[in-house]
Amino acid sequence: QKEVEQDPGPLSVPEGAIVSLNCTYSNSAFQYFMWYRQYSRKGPELLMYTYSSGNKEDGRFTAQVDKSSKYISLFIRDSQPSDSATYLCAMRVYSSASKIIFGSGTRLSIRP
Amino acid sequence: GEEVAQTPKHLVRGEGQKAKLYCAPIKGHSYVFWYQQVLKNEFKFLISFQNENVFDETGMPKERFSAKCLPNSPCSLEIQATKLEDSAVYFCASSLTGATNEKLFFGSGTQLSVL
Repeated sequence: QKEVEQDPGPLSVPEGAIVSLNCTYSNSAFQYFMWYRQYSRKGPELLMYTYSSGNKEDGRFTAQVDKSSKYISLFIRDSQPSDSATYLCAMRVYSSASKIIFGSGTRLSIRP
Repeated sequence: GEEVAQTPKHLVRGEGQKAKLYCAPIKGHSYVFWYQQVLKNEFKFLISFQNENVFDETGMPKERFSAKCLPNSPCSLEIQATKLEDSAVYFCASSLTGATNEKLFFGSGTQLSVL
C-alpha cells in the first residue's frame, strides 16, 4: 500500500467552477502537509502548506487537513484556465530534512 | 544562482550505457534532494544531502545508482548500466536549511530516455 494515495484524474471542469482535490495517507507520523502545482515540463512549486488539522486559506485556494481521517483536500474557487496543471499533495514527518512523500498527482484542466 | 539549475535538460542513452545528471542548488542552500518522476506522476524520493554529506539515501536503488555533492561543484546523480525502467524525469531540489517547514525549490528536471 502506498503511503499517500491520490486520484490521478484527469479532472476537467469549466472556468469559474469550484475544484476539489483530495489525498489520503496511511502514516500517522506525517505532520506537515503541502500542495504543489506542476506545469508541463517544469518542477513542482509549493502552493500551500499546513501543519495542523483545519483549514488554511490563501486567496482562491483553501487547504484542509483532517488528521483523524488521514485525509487532506485542496479547494480552488473561481477556477481559471491558468490553474490547469498537475496538483500533487505531499507530506513530511516533523523532523529535520525529512524526505517529502508525494501523491501521484491529479491532472486538472479548466475549460474556458 | 537564484534557481536550481539542472543539466542536461534531455539525455538519451542506450540500455547498458552510463548516465550522469547534474544539479546546481541555489547559492547558500545546504540541502539537496533528488527525486525520480516516472510517467509524469509517481514522484519517488532517491537521496538527500546536507552539504557534501549524504543525509538520507533510503530511496536509492542499491545497485547502479550513486550520487555526490562535492564542494564548489554541481551535485551529480550517476546511473551505471542504465535499464529501460530508468527512463524518467529526475528532479533536484534544494532548501536553505533542513527545517520541516522549509520550502523546497525544484529545478526543471532532466528527462532521461533509455532506449
